Amino acid sequence: DAGVIQSPRHEVTEMGQEVTLRCKPISGHNSLFWYRQTMMRGLELLIYFNNNVPIDDSGMPEDRFSAKMPNASFSTLKIQPSEPRDSAVYFCASSKGGAYNEQFFGPGTRLTVL
Amino acid sequence: AQSVAQPEDQVNVAEGNPLTVKCTYSVSGNPYLFWYVQYPNRGLQFLLKYITGDNLVKGSYGFEAEFNKSQTSFHLKNPSALVSDSALYFCAVRDLMGAGSYQLTFGKGTKLSVIP
Repeated sequence: DAGVIQSPRHEVTEMGQEVTLRCKPISGHNSLFWYRQTMMRGLELLIYFNNNVPIDDSGMPEDRFSAKMPNASFSTLKIQPSEPRDSAVYFCASSKGGAYNEQFFGPGTRLTVL
Repeated sequence: AQSVAQPEDQVNVAEGNPLTVKCTYSVSGNPYLFWYVQYPNRGLQFLLKYITGDNLVKGSYGFEAEFNKSQTSFHLKNPSALVSDSALYFCAVRDLMGAGSYQLTFGKGTKLSVIP
């Protein structure tokens, strides 16, 4: 299996622009997670999908952030408009259902908002 | 609410020596505990987990961790450190009680440096 795939790996944009991050989970996994990692705040859960349905989006920082999962093999995280404080590494992770199953992380997208 | 503490920001150890990366947790119910490793510019990789049963859990690359319920700890150990083990290590806990039982709470991470 190719693992969790994220694109792009790096994104540099200017403040106010729309940013879309993409994720392809591991085939057969029905849970998908978006995380943000910064030096100051560590690893934060943004949103959790189960069977393509958003279960908990309480970690989404503001209305500027939105996430979708139109099917079992694709998810997007969108920031519109982007701000410099959104600069971080964004990870997507997937797992099989069940609290005892580990999550598999993608390589991350490093976002820089100028 | 569940929480994880990794009391050391950095651990330095000489190559070939044993290493320990500390983790303590707080949960309402029974915990599921995980260790992940992150190499530079990479995503987190799963190392090992404790679900139930034997308190000593063995994982990848010679790592093991011991679940201690009375001390609410889950320290990561390796009997012989390699330079290639140098990375950022994260402990994570999932609380089986409550509505957020799917959620993994991560510690802040401990940077392990293995000195040749």
